[in-house]
Amino acid sequence: AQTVTQSQPEMSVQEAETVTLSCTYDTSENNYYLFWYKQPPSRQMILVIRQEAYKQQNATENRFSVNFQKAAKSFSLKISDSQLGDTAMYFCAFISTGNQFYFGTGTSLTVIP
Amino acid sequence: GAGVSQSPSNKVTEKGKDVELRCDPISGHTALYWYRQSLGQGLEFLIYFQGNSAPDKSGLPSDRFSAERTGGSVSTLTIQRTQQEDSAVYLCASSAGTRGETQYFGPGTRLLVL
Repeated sequence: AQTVTQSQPEMSVQEAETVTLSCTYDTSENNYYLFWYKQPPSRQMILVIRQEAYKQQNATENRFSVNFQKAAKSFSLKISDSQLGDTAMYFCAFISTGNQFYFGTGTSLTVIP
Repeated sequence: GAGVSQSPSNKVTEKGKDVELRCDPISGHTALYWYRQSLGQGLEFLIYFQGNSAPDKSGLPSDRFSAERTGGSVSTLTIQRTQQEDSAVYLCASSAGTRGETQYFGPGTRLLVL
């Protein structure tokens, strides 16, 4: 079975500072994809970043980057220069061979002005 | 707009009634997913459609839940004889293909069963 664990239900960060959200997963597969999605109060899920497991290089999208540790099955998200608009729920997700998405329970991030 | 749309945005119903939730995927997207998000929880996979293939229904919680996708586009999720525990946000997503393609989500339908 595939599982995704986000051990930080809530986090906060000062505006302009850096924060890291953790995610671990469990799978017996070798080739897979990992995602971070953001869900602001508007409820609209938005893709933040995507990582292909066969690529060793960590994915980066502007202020967002990941630390992908395949052997440790860890996929943390780093947000640099945090902005007020980053306040949202963040979900880590894993996609299985059967094309099913498994989501973690989310981390609620608050950016403090 | 070119995004995924869902209707209604909110639905209040009485226990025992049937409800239908609609999803319009992004044009040209062959894959469509339904998820359920309960308060304080992550997303729970319900069902997945890919092209003309038989849908993956492995996530449906009971036989009261069913979904159709007509013409490879619009999808309807039907919940029969609703129960209070069905109260949740139901999210639809579509993607251009399979296996690792980014899913684009709709705004969801918030269902409240009284």
